[in-house]
Amino acid sequence: DQQVKQNSPSLSVQEGRISILNCDYTNSMFDYFLWYKKYPAEGPTFLISISSIKDKNEDGRFTVFLNKSAKHLSLHIVPSQPGDSAVYFCAASGGSNYKLTFGKGTLLTVNP
Amino acid sequence: GAVVSQHPSRVICKSGTSVKIECRSLDFQATTMFWYRQFPKQSLMLMATSNEGSKATYEQGVEKDKFLINHASLTLSTLTVTSAHPEDSSFYICSASMATGAPNYGYTFGSGTRLTVV
Repeated sequence: DQQVKQNSPSLSVQEGRISILNCDYTNSMFDYFLWYKKYPAEGPTFLISISSIKDKNEDGRFTVFLNKSAKHLSLHIVPSQPGDSAVYFCAASGGSNYKLTFGKGTLLTVNP
Repeated sequence: GAVVSQHPSRVICKSGTSVKIECRSLDFQATTMFWYRQFPKQSLMLMATSNEGSKATYEQGVEKDKFLINHASLTLSTLTVTSAHPEDSSFYICSASMATGAPNYGYTFGSGTRLTVV
């Protein structure tokens, strides 16, 4: 039972354009969501997070949107840069359990 | 910023032997460390949570006698894969947190260990 789903295994965008990465979740107890970036053979690097009391959080080129009613969140990267090419993981946590549940990841490729 | 060092980055071992993976928080005290494994094109699956000075809490389906976790100090946690088999071949990643009590999602991940059992 996959509680965090990233249905797009890959995404390709042109440099300078917007990248939109999507994530859906099923567990109503999740109240904190995070996005991580991962290069091959490396550990994930934290990008941005959002609490369920918000619907948007912005940090530079990265913005995360949360739609609680749809149990959906998305990561927007604008403008996209070739260095953004990596696997992006969506993760969620909730309740008194601080453990993170990860999606399968989306491979983003930004073409010059 | 917080740095977590994980060693070795790659290890190849023979079937039946044991392998130890170390996870160190270099510039902070990690009260909680997490161990994950990742199969190709899969998500990171949490194996266990360890708190300094106490026994690790294992996720359902993870054999605690096979994956021994020790968190003896606030800066070091080790994962030992005992009697390794080829199906244990995977990418193992640790993460560390300064969390004590209230939620703190400042998890920092190590660089991972690619284990290949032949």
